Amino acid sequence: AQSVAQPEDQVNVAEGNPLTVKCTYSVSGNPYLFWYVQYPNRGLQFLLKYITGDNLVKGSYGFEAEFNKSQTSFHLKKPSALVSDSALYFCAVRDGDTGFQKLVFGTGTRLLVSP
Amino acid sequence: EPEVTQTPSHQVTQMGQEVILRCVPISNHLYFYWYRQILGQKVEFLVSFYNNEISEKSEIFDDQFSVERPDGSNFTLKIRSTKLEDSAMYFCASSETNSGGVQYFGPGTRLLVL
Repeated sequence: AQSVAQPEDQVNVAEGNPLTVKCTYSVSGNPYLFWYVQYPNRGLQFLLKYITGDNLVKGSYGFEAEFNKSQTSFHLKKPSALVSDSALYFCAVRDGDTGFQKLVFGTGTRLLVSP
Repeated sequence: EPEVTQTPSHQVTQMGQEVILRCVPISNHLYFYWYRQILGQKVEFLVSFYNNEISEKSEIFDDQFSVERPDGSNFTLKIRSTKLEDSAMYFCASSETNSGGVQYFGPGTRLLVL
């Protein structure tokens, strides 16, 4: 069975500083990995995905994530945080070796960017 | 930019009542999903739907739940007899493909069962 761990409930960073939101996963087959962001009273917005290829994936709004197979991690990064990046971030995984599309989500990490 | 829409945004119902949550997926998408998020908890998969039938469902998706695509645009989730523990935010999602396809989520329906 798949699982995702987001070890930090909250990450605080000052505007202009780099940010990292951590995610580790467990899946029996090939991992398909996703990051979503949720703003208050909004749905989940897709940021980026890793299916195959380069370990560094670039996504929306300047975010990127690094897939590390040996550490089973897929940490979300941004070189310079904006106050508007403050939101709830979810990492998700599905098993790419099955035909099933079920996404398994982590518990979410709240990112707070201070001015 | 095309997006998934959901109605209503909020629904309050009495325990034991039936509710129908509605979703309009992105028009060229073929795969449809429902997830839910109980307040303060993680987003949980309920069911996936393709070619007019359920392709996968979780243990949460018991006989009280059903899904339907009644016409070419809507995708519905019915809860037959609501329980207090069904109170949650329900998200609809759709994807264009199965293999690696991104699931795009709607804004959600907040269901409160009293």
